[in-house]
Amino acid sequence: DSGVTQTPKHLITATGQRVTLRCSPRSGDLSVYWYQQSLDQGLQFLIQYYNGEERAKGNILERFSAQQFPDLHSELNLSSLELGDSALYFCASSVVPRNTGELFFGEGSRLTVL
Amino acid sequence: TQLLEQSPQFLSIQEGENLTVYCNSSSVFSSLQWYRQEPGEGPVLLVTVVTGGEVKKLKRLTFQFGDARKDSSLHITAAQPGDTGLYLCAGASGTSYGKLTFGQGTILTVHP
Repeated sequence: DSGVTQTPKHLITATGQRVTLRCSPRSGDLSVYWYQQSLDQGLQFLIQYYNGEERAKGNILERFSAQQFPDLHSELNLSSLELGDSALYFCASSVVPRNTGELFFGEGSRLTVL
Repeated sequence: TQLLEQSPQFLSIQEGENLTVYCNSSSVFSSLQWYRQEPGEGPVLLVTVVTGGEVKKLKRLTFQFGDARKDSSLHITAAQPGDTGLYLCAGASGTSYGKLTFGQGTILTVHP
């Protein structure tokens, strides 16, 4: 158990819909990262928050947004969903945004868009 | 864009055999990590290497960071069925905190 909690574990929805994925980081970790894992692209960095503020952005689509709340939990919002958005979405956390970058991953949220 | 090429993509071996997984890039990384992921779970950190030429051992696993910090290898001695899983290398650069570049992964299957 990494200490990172993600909900829901599985989500099935239709194209055009909007979903919210939730993440609670490890106790004491200030940084939250979102990654997308698909068969063809592998694990791709989406976005990072540190203590409530956006710190780094990857190849995150404009239809996707995220935020980190004062209690440090984070939400990833995916809207106007397309079939290609079907993937595993991982949240990870770390104590500080360190260059060595060790991350602790949650178990992921599997999104299926039909 | 930094890329990490991991090879081989698939590895199927018998229990007791040795194996090596490679991770190569044309970019320099400030650190490189190896993760293992099992079905239905998130990646779990195995090791972080930071210094060029660094070698770290974790029981039967040996990790090496290239002198130029552009490549790394994972060697498993006497593989066991419990080693089965997806192995991922991930690089961090000096300008991006926690924004890891992942290799495509190596799916290892160890048959009893």
